[in-house]
Amino acid sequence: EIVMTQSPATLSVSPGERATLSCRASQSVSSNLAWYQQKPGQAPRLLIYGASTRATGIPARFSGSGSGTEFTLTISSLQSEDFAVYYCQQYNNWHWTFGQGTKVEIK
Amino acid sequence: QVQLVQSGAEVKKPGSSVKVSCKASGGTFSSYAISWVRQAPGQGLEWMGGIIPIFGTANYAQKFQGRVTITADESTSTAYMELSSLRSEDTAVYYCARATRITMVQGVTYYYYYYMDVWGKGTTVTVSS
Repeated sequence: EIVMTQSPATLSVSPGERATLSCRASQSVSSNLAWYQQKPGQAPRLLIYGASTRATGIPARFSGSGSGTEFTLTISSLQSEDFAVYYCQQYNNWHWTFGQGTKVEIK
Repeated sequence: QVQLVQSGAEVKKPGSSVKVSCKASGGTFSSYAISWVRQAPGQGLEWMGGIIPIFGTANYAQKFQGRVTITADESTSTAYMELSSLRSEDTAVYYCARATRITMVQGVTYYYYYYMDVWGKGTTVTVSS
């Protein structure tokens, strides 16, 4: 099983600031990585797939980068609606796995 | 725009089984996969397994092998997830998600990958005696 490790567990950021979230895979997943945003009481929402492609309707302030084992999600200027939990997920084989999540909270 | 409509909340006794449905409204399953993800209270997301309806084959996370069965009925665009031998630790919200296919070609070999782009609202399953 591919283990996905996200850091940090919690990120305290002020509105308007930049947030950088990391995700590491225990073995290469090529570019087969997605990022999701989840708010309390809601289903996850797809932000990024293919490591760097924004999903339909996702604002340009969200960007993804990386390949192989190291990935980054960057939120360039945090808006109030961006405070949430973010998960990375690999789909390189048919045994998908999620990271444990990074909570982005208001500083 | 396709929506995934899941069945309602369930309360089950330990040792019993639960079957959750997921119907595609406004679309079909053609060329997509359907995946099931659960989230225990206050915890992260956990992939359980998935199925490609046109192929009919399912894959399961090792943790759930032997306890979970995922099926799909293309004629009604409905997928099902059945979890047996329920225990209190199975108390969670269960999500279905549609997964869209990406095709990669390397030489003469085609590789298919799927990412989850449309999610149901979730079904709460409570296991309690």
